[in-house]
Amino acid sequence: GESVGLHLPTLSVQEGDNSIINCAYSNSASDYFIWYKQESGKGPQFIIDIRSNMDKRQGQRVTVLLNKTVKHLSLQIAATQPGDSAVYFCAETPPSYKLSFGAGTTVTVRA
Amino acid sequence: GAGVSQTPSNKVTEKGKYVELRCDPISGHTALYWYRQSLGQGPEFLIYFQGTGAADDSGLPNDRFFAVRPEGSVSTLKIQRTERGDSAVYLCASSPWGDPNTGELFFGEGSRLTVL
Repeated sequence: GESVGLHLPTLSVQEGDNSIINCAYSNSASDYFIWYKQESGKGPQFIIDIRSNMDKRQGQRVTVLLNKTVKHLSLQIAATQPGDSAVYFCAETPPSYKLSFGAGTTVTVRA
Repeated sequence: GAGVSQTPSNKVTEKGKYVELRCDPISGHTALYWYRQSLGQGPEFLIYFQGTGAADDSGLPNDRFFAVRPEGSVSTLKIQRTERGDSAVYLCASSPWGDPNTGELFFGEGSRLTVL
C-alpha cells in the first residue's frame, strides 16, 4: 500500500540557519502534496502545497521541492526562527481526498 | 471564533463508557473530516462528510465508532463501549473546497480522549 514517511524523526537547527526536512512517498499515483506544521497542543496547520506537475514552489520563507523520479519531497525553511519549532508532516493525496500523513519530523530551534 | 471548534478539549472516561466528541466547522465549509492521532504519530483518516452525508467512512476502525452531521454543519463522533486503545487525540478538519483533491484542510485543536 501507499505510505508517506519522513527520513528523520528529529532535527535540531541553529536559529538563523536554513532547515531541510525530507519526506519519501511510495504511491506514484499521488498528485498533490502538502506540508503541515503542528505545534504542541494544536491541530496541524497548512504551510505549503505542490502539485505533481511542478518541481518547486515557494512561499514566505518556505520552499517545497518535489522529485517525482525518486518520489521525494522536501521542505526548506529559510532563516529558521524559534517559532518554527514544531512537528512537520508531509501528506499526500493519491487520487482521492484522504490525506495520508507521515509520522512527522520534530524540529527544535536552538537559540 | 473563525476557526474549527472542538469540544470537549479533554475527555477522561472509563473503559466501556460511551463518549461523544463535537466539531463545529468553519461556517460555509461543506467538507468535514475526522482524524485520529496517536502519540508520536501522524493523523489517521477516519471519516469524510460532504454536506450531510458520509462520503467515506472506511477509516472508522470498527462498528463502535459512528459519526453524524445531520444539518451539514456540526458533526459528532460517537464511540461506544470505549476501550483503552481508543485513547488518542481526535482531530476535526473542514474545507471549503469543492475539489476533493485540494488537500488544504483547516484543523481544530482536537479532543484528547483518555480511556482508563
